[in-house]
Amino acid sequence: DTEVTQTPKHLVMGMTNKKSLKCEQHMGHRAMYWYKQKAKKPPELMFVYSYEKLSINESVPSRFSPECPNSSLLNLHLHALQPEDSALYLCASSQEGPFTYEQYFGPGTRLTVT
Amino acid sequence: KQEVTQIPAALSVPEGENLVLNCSFTDSAIYNLQWFRQDPGKGLTSLLLIQSSQREQTSGRLNASLDKSSGRSTLYIAASQPGDSATYLCAVTMDSNYQLIWGAGTKLIIKP
Repeated sequence: DTEVTQTPKHLVMGMTNKKSLKCEQHMGHRAMYWYKQKAKKPPELMFVYSYEKLSINESVPSRFSPECPNSSLLNLHLHALQPEDSALYLCASSQEGPFTYEQYFGPGTRLTVT
Repeated sequence: KQEVTQIPAALSVPEGENLVLNCSFTDSAIYNLQWFRQDPGKGLTSLLLIQSSQREQTSGRLNASLDKSSGRSTLYIAASQPGDSATYLCAVTMDSNYQLIWGAGTKLIIKP
């Protein structure tokens, strides 16, 4: 199984809402990543977890809060977002990390903030 | 500071042609280089990963080469098909801090 799953596929939320994005992999990978991608741009790294510990935070605003409950799961908690946060949010995993092994990406969550 | 460039930004070719996509980088101190494919509005699919000590990798109709000294990688697609239409991105992992630096991508259209 070389699949990374993400839920939900689409999310529309108001600026006062709290929501969460979920990412799951069952490949035994020990590194997991959150990326943000705007239209026609490459992905921008947000967070990296290695062995369930946050190893990289790319100066992301505190309205984004990552969580890694176990080695298979990665969440991104969202609160008080701005319209400019609308984007495709991608999760990825790799055997070890960060970055030294091939990354496998999920299909993404399309987030719209109204 | 590492810069990754992909030229051309867009490419349209008839079905059946062999084609080459280019990726260049300014700092040769890389750990590896990956080629990805992205369909519109979808996630990324890893196509090939080349370690810095390797010269090329092959998967089916795809062949990726790496020339670290000249700061170049190419992705060769043989016998192109309409299903190959997508945006192709390359990304390098830096030796120093393992950061992933992305190119802007090449949008490929294969005409039936």
